[in-house]
Amino acid sequence: DTEVTQTPKHLVMGMTNKKSLKCEQHMGHRAMYWYKQKAKKPPELMFVYSYEKLSINESVPSRFSPECPNSSLLNLHLHALQPEDSALYLCASSQGPGGLGGYTFGSGTRLTVV
Amino acid sequence: SQQGEEDPQALSIQEGENATMNCSYKTSINNLQWYRQNSGRGLVHLILIRSNEREKHSGRLRVTLDTSKKSSSLLITASRAADTASYFCATGLAIYNQGGKLIFGQGTELSVKP
Repeated sequence: DTEVTQTPKHLVMGMTNKKSLKCEQHMGHRAMYWYKQKAKKPPELMFVYSYEKLSINESVPSRFSPECPNSSLLNLHLHALQPEDSALYLCASSQGPGGLGGYTFGSGTRLTVV
Repeated sequence: SQQGEEDPQALSIQEGENATMNCSYKTSINNLQWYRQNSGRGLVHLILIRSNEREKHSGRLRVTLDTSKKSSSLLITASRAADTASYFCATGLAIYNQGGKLIFGQGTELSVKP
């Protein structure tokens, strides 16, 4: 299995909702990442997990809460989002510490906050 | 920020022509990577060049890296309509005890006309 699987592919949520984005990989990769991408812009790094521990948080608002239950799964819990949080959320994994090898990206969750 | 500039922002060529995209970055890196993204979905890793390498080839792709100028270029030879996509350079930096980061440039939109 050489894929990163993200669910759901599309999500529409109200500003008072709580939802979760899920990401799964079975390549034995020990680093996983969340990126946010707005239209016509590059992906922006949000969180880095290395060996299931949160190692980098790029000053992301607390309404985004990451969780890494085990080495294959990465969740992003969403609560009280704003319309400007609407974006494509991308999960990625890499074999070793971030920055030293190629990343495998999922196809993303397109989130719309209404 | 490590995010660099890509040049040009948009490039339109005919099938069979070569496409060259340039990337500049600001800080020290461990490697530089190029990714392709179709229609705002997941990114596909194309090629990685380490900071001690100057040139690398993969199929129709040729990447150069000049660390003294903090710049890289991606050449796609004999382009095809299927190469139409957004192309991003990304700088990889390992951070002691934190894993590491992959930071993306602004991207080049390539359009290959049949």
